[in-house]
Amino acid sequence: ILNVEQSPQSLHVQEGDSTNFTCSFPSSNFYALHWYRWETAKSPEALFVMTLNGDEKKKGRISATLNTKEGYSYLYIKGSQPEDSATYLCAFFPNTGNQFYFGTGTSLTVIP
Amino acid sequence: DTAVSQTPKYLVTQMGNDKSIKCEQNLGHDTMYWYKQDSKKFLKIMFSYNNKELIINETVPNRFSPKSPDKAHLNLHINSLELGDSAVYFCASSHTGLGTEAFFGQGTRLTVV
Repeated sequence: ILNVEQSPQSLHVQEGDSTNFTCSFPSSNFYALHWYRWETAKSPEALFVMTLNGDEKKKGRISATLNTKEGYSYLYIKGSQPEDSATYLCAFFPNTGNQFYFGTGTSLTVIP
Repeated sequence: DTAVSQTPKYLVTQMGNDKSIKCEQNLGHDTMYWYKQDSKKFLKIMFSYNNKELIINETVPNRFSPKSPDKAHLNLHINSLELGDSAVYFCASSHTGLGTEAFFGQGTRLTVV
């Protein structure tokens, strides 16, 4: 079982604030890194699939960066809105296996 | 048309019973997974399976077993249910060879009483 860590575990921000959180993963045997958004009572849905070192992805106010050499990815949310409240999961996919290893998630609460 | 569907959505059963949760995907994916959401809401891999290989998380009790009648289905069978098995179980599928994202079912909330 590979270790994928996310920080912080939870985060409360005011509406309009920008925020970011981290996913750390093994820097060896990298194949892909995914970010998922998981709303309460729903199932996780993919935000980004990142495969190349230096990748930057953007979807609306949400963006992500990837550093495969040092084994981390950042997720940024600009101008947080209450509807951004969710748990954000990253998942590491090594080139040596056929399964995803999920991080523990960052629970984001945006306070109106 | 649901991509990954699990049934049932809710399952309440007594200790000691045997139960199954079904999962079907219509995405043509080659790999399917079962995850358990623990009490801290973490997603922990239980199994991943494609037509070549079954990978079992060694921490999963052998009362849990995946059964795959074909590539589109991966059912989770649980023997002798215990109180601690109560959790939400998620099925997912993906094209592992491409490293593309996983698609999840809606989850099955299992309550053992």
